[in-house]
Amino acid sequence: EAQVTQNPRYLITVTGKKLTVTCSQNMNHEYMSWYRQDPGLGLRQIYYSMNVEVTDKGDVPEGYKVSRKEKRNFPLILESPSPNQTSLYFCASSLSEPFSYTYNEQFFGPGTRLTVL
Amino acid sequence: SQQGEEDPQALSIQEGENATMNCSYKTSINNLQWYRQNSGRGLVHLILIRSNEREKHSGRLRVTLDTSKKSSSLLITASRAADTASYFCATERKGNDMRFGAGTRLTVKP
Repeated sequence: EAQVTQNPRYLITVTGKKLTVTCSQNMNHEYMSWYRQDPGLGLRQIYYSMNVEVTDKGDVPEGYKVSRKEKRNFPLILESPSPNQTSLYFCASSLSEPFSYTYNEQFFGPGTRLTVL
Repeated sequence: SQQGEEDPQALSIQEGENATMNCSYKTSINNLQWYRQNSGRGLVHLILIRSNEREKHSGRLRVTLDTSKKSSSLLITASRAADTASYFCATERKGNDMRFGAGTRLTVKP
């Protein structure tokens, strides 16, 4: 089954304790992305990756890191989490079709609810 | 500011009625997509409309796109209680740069 998986689904942690949220897709997609969702703000892009070893900042990258060592995995790293990073996080993947009109649906993971105390 | 902005922020209707949600955006796009999200869960893709299309249908969904006004609408006909969810529009610009709006919270009362 084609899917995007995230782990953990729920996490409560304390300020300053490094954490990693994993994301994996089995569709051989080149493009992967992380979003956070906060009430009234919709989805905001944190980082995205066009391919292996190619990452770029989205709208709200501060306080986050990512890596793309393998095509299928795109972990989100919070080196020193703070309470303002309490949010619902979504990973997504899609085929990479730059500057085109071809269908380019993003597939989303189930979300990770993070609470930073 | 956000690329895609939904209007209204919240909508409450009775079962059987139609629900219309609007989305406005600011820059040229390749396509526009609508997603739904049930409370606290992942996003489900509903429909994609390309910039050279004006209207698309999928079951009870009807999406229109007016590139001259930089706006789109999502119409859900004959709504059901199970349609209660948040609905987001997302605009895709060049490459894979996507922007999401804040969403419209739809409540369908039985």
